[in-house]
Amino acid sequence: DIVLTQAPLSVSVTPGESASISCRSSKSLLSSKGITSLYWYLQRPGKSPQLLIYQMSNLASGVPDRFSSSGSETDFTLKISKVETEDVGFYYCGHRLEYPYTFGAGTKLELK
Amino acid sequence: QVQLQQSGAELVKPGSSVKISCKASGYTFTSYDMHWIKQQPGNGLEWIGWIYPGNGNTKYNQKFNGKTTLTADKSSSTAYMQLSSLTSEDSAVYFCARGTAYWGQGTLVTVSS
Repeated sequence: DIVLTQAPLSVSVTPGESASISCRSSKSLLSSKGITSLYWYLQRPGKSPQLLIYQMSNLASGVPDRFSSSGSETDFTLKISKVETEDVGFYYCGHRLEYPYTFGAGTKLELK
Repeated sequence: QVQLQQSGAELVKPGSSVKISCKASGYTFTSYDMHWIKQQPGNGLEWIGWIYPGNGNTKYNQKFNGKTTLTADKSSSTAYMQLSSLTSEDSAVYFCARGTAYWGQGTLVTVSS
């Protein structure tokens, strides 16, 4: 199975500042079709996960452009600029390259 | 708009089975895979498998083979997941999801005697 390792496990951010979360894959997530199968989700407290980013760098519908993502075939970074109260929760990376689909363990973002 | 409405919380006994549902609306039910994801308390996300309601094809995470059965009823646009031989390790919130972008609200399953 592909292992996704997230860092840090938690991050504390002052509102208005930026935050970055890393996700490292045990295998290249570049598909034969040239798509990087890496997704980012936010799970707010008591809610379902919400898709933020698909195929490594594409912003999902309705997601503010304060969120961005970049990376290579195995190393990825989610950046949140000007963190707001609504950004609090757990962030997960996930892939859909091959079966079984797997997720990172999650990064908790809280406000200072 | 796409909506996935899951059934309510379940309290079930060890060794029994439970079937939870996910009613879809706002799109053509038979045209998209429905995925199921497990989240144990305080833990991350585990992908269980998917079903394609159009033809009933399924794909399971091997870890859940024998534990879960995915079905779909086209007439009611509802996907189902049955969990069998329940143990405390099956206590979790279970989500259905259409692709990556649309998720149900989750169903809490608690296994306790």
